Amino acid sequence: QSVLTQPSSASGTPGQRVTISCSGSSSNIGSKTVNWYHQSPGTAPKLLIYSDNQRPSGVPDRISGSKSGTSASLAISGLQSEDEGDYYCAARDDGVIYVFGTGTKVTVL
Amino acid sequence: EVHLVESGGGFVRPGGSLRLSCAASEFTFSRYWMTWVRQAPGEGLEWVAYINKEGSEKYYAGSVKGRFTISRDNAKNSLYLQMNSLRDEDTALYYCARIGYSGYNFEYWGQGTLVTVSS
Repeated sequence: QSVLTQPSSASGTPGQRVTISCSGSSSNIGSKTVNWYHQSPGTAPKLLIYSDNQRPSGVPDRISGSKSGTSASLAISGLQSEDEGDYYCAARDDGVIYVFGTGTKVTVL
Repeated sequence: EVHLVESGGGFVRPGGSLRLSCAASEFTFSRYWMTWVRQAPGEGLEWVAYINKEGSEKYYAGSVKGRFTISRDNAKNSLYLQMNSLRDEDTALYYCARIGYSGYNFEYWGQGTLVTVSS
């Protein structure tokens, strides 16, 4: 059972902005950096955001991450069909254990 | 481009064993921590284990601790996961991934190898 809670689904029309929340606690998000992963259907996950708000090379700047206290958020602006899939937040917990969020399925209407 | 290829998955009875391998290429394998992550059919991601660059530090999820062993051979650019006492709930697609230098992010992933545990 994951200790990072995300909404099960989110949706928007092309061009809209979608935000995904990730709720944790002081032992994970509250004291460790947050990463976000995107998994398109039938493919391996891809790193989207690391260290709360940093984008790896190749990730467009319409994707952004933020964190406040024990919660984190991922925002996708200018929603595109390629943004469909599952999104997972993740962080270390209690030192060295790593936990993923429950996952959010994003649908482009 | 970083390349990670998992192998060794298959069908096994409960209580059985399996050894997964992950072949790494196009980067200096010995400079990076590595990890295994699994995903049960239709479910989310679950971290399994990670190992430091030298292979001297290993950390495990509670669900596999004492049954799984992560290891690496830097001379062969390979990562391994020895899985013993397998259970039905270990059925999953197992991914290996490279850990980046900043904040335990899993920056490159393989395509996964499927492990099915069933009687």
